[in-house]
Amino acid sequence: DTEVTQTPKHLVMGMTNKKSLKCEQHMGHRAMYWYKQKAKKPPELMFVYSYEKLSINESVPSRFSPECPNSSLLNLHLHALQPEDSALYLCASSQRDNYGYTFGSGTRLTVV
Amino acid sequence: GQQVMQIPQYQHVQEGEDFTTYCNSSTTLSNIQWYKQRPGGHPVFLIQLVKSGEVKKQKRLTFQFGEAKKNSSLHITATQTTDVGTYFCAGPKDAGTYKYIFGTGTRLKVLA
Repeated sequence: DTEVTQTPKHLVMGMTNKKSLKCEQHMGHRAMYWYKQKAKKPPELMFVYSYEKLSINESVPSRFSPECPNSSLLNLHLHALQPEDSALYLCASSQRDNYGYTFGSGTRLTVV
Repeated sequence: GQQVMQIPQYQHVQEGEDFTTYCNSSTTLSNIQWYKQRPGGHPVFLIQLVKSGEVKKQKRLTFQFGEAKKNSSLHITATQTTDVGTYFCAGPKDAGTYKYIFGTGTRLKVLA
C-alpha cells in the first residue's frame, strides 16, 4: 500500500459545527503532516507528528486540533472555524525528515 | 524569514516546446525537493536533490541543484499535455527538520 487516504473528500460546515478530518497510511512512515492550501497558493505547513508525538505546530489557531492515535492515523479536529479557513487540507507522510512526502488527495473544506 | 521563490509564476507553451522553472531560496538548503500538482489534484513527489551541483534526469525532466545550494531548476524537454500542472520546489527550513517550505510554484499550461 503506497497511499495516504483522507476522508471525507469534501466537507461543508457551519461556523458553530465540530467536525474531524481523517488521514491514514500503511507505509510504515513515522512522520505525518497536515498542510493547508488555498487556491493558487503553495501548501502551508500546519502540524508535524514524528513517531506519534507532535513536533511542530506552526502557530495554528486553537480551533484546529490535531491528534495522532497511532502510527497509521492522523486526525484534525475542527471547531468554530471561520469562512477564511475554507481551503484544501492535505495530509502527508514520509519515512522521516529529508525524505519526499506522500500526499493524500485532500479534504476540500468550505466553512459557511 | 526564509523565502522560496519560483519564476515564472505562469508559463504557457506549445506542445513540443521546452519549459524551465527556477527556484530560489533566501538561505542555503541542505536539500531540495520537487513536486507536481495536477489541476484539482494533490502534490506528487518527483525527486530530491542533495549535493551541490547535482543533476538528475527522469525521462524528459532534468533537475539541477545550484553550486551554492540556494537555487534549483526543473527543465522539461518537448512538453506534452500530460505535463500540465503546477510545479513546486520545497526546501527544509532548518537542516534535519521536518519543516519543509514550499516555493511559490510555477503553473504550466501546454497548448496542443
